[in-house]
Amino acid sequence: ETGVTQTPRHLVMGMTNKKSLKCEQHLGHNAMYWYKQSAKKPLELMFVYNFKEQTENNSVPSRFSPECPNSSHLFLHLHTLQPEDSALYLCASSQEGVTQETQYFGPGTRLLVL
Amino acid sequence: RKEVEQDPGPFNVPEGATVAFNCTYSNSASQSFFWYRQDCRKEPKLLMSVYSSGNEDGRFTAQLNRASQYISLLIRDSKLSDSATYLCVVNKSGGYNKLIFGAGTRLAVHP
Repeated sequence: ETGVTQTPRHLVMGMTNKKSLKCEQHLGHNAMYWYKQSAKKPLELMFVYNFKEQTENNSVPSRFSPECPNSSHLFLHLHTLQPEDSALYLCASSQEGVTQETQYFGPGTRLLVL
Repeated sequence: RKEVEQDPGPFNVPEGATVAFNCTYSNSASQSFFWYRQDCRKEPKLLMSVYSSGNEDGRFTAQLNRASQYISLLIRDSKLSDSATYLCVVNKSGGYNKLIFGAGTRLAVHP
């Protein structure tokens, strides 16, 4: 399935590095999300964008910086991360305003911070 | 209290068995409910939405009990390929797109 794509799929970075995660959705949706999934924990919503506008920041540390240049693309810029930030980062998209709408996930970026 | 609670399992069942998962949610104003499936090291994928009247999709049946604030998923005639983690998902009140995920229930179907 190629509805939501994410790159890179795997990333290893040091605590002083700067990197970016990219997400692209090909579904014509108007809302995009970043989630974090740590081992044995539920998915944690990080950011929500509706029509390119950020509508939710779920108390995420400033070392994570999202960017949504258009309704099809979403980035997560990373800098000075900590080892506890190692996790699976999932992007999702949906059509806002539709009852019982579902979110479609990308394959995720597995991040390891050394 | 967690917003969405699930028994983490694992549920170990033989092929052909019937297995049921329950999930409770804390926000009585929630309006959208889903079951997602997540395979090991993969992304979650929608299994089915849960409607007030209950719904069935092949071997899978979902039920919603608003009064008791719980959702159930029944899997009949389990297959080896059903082995996965099943995530109960509830929308946050007031916003259709703010979904809260349970930690998941792990199912292992063995021959």
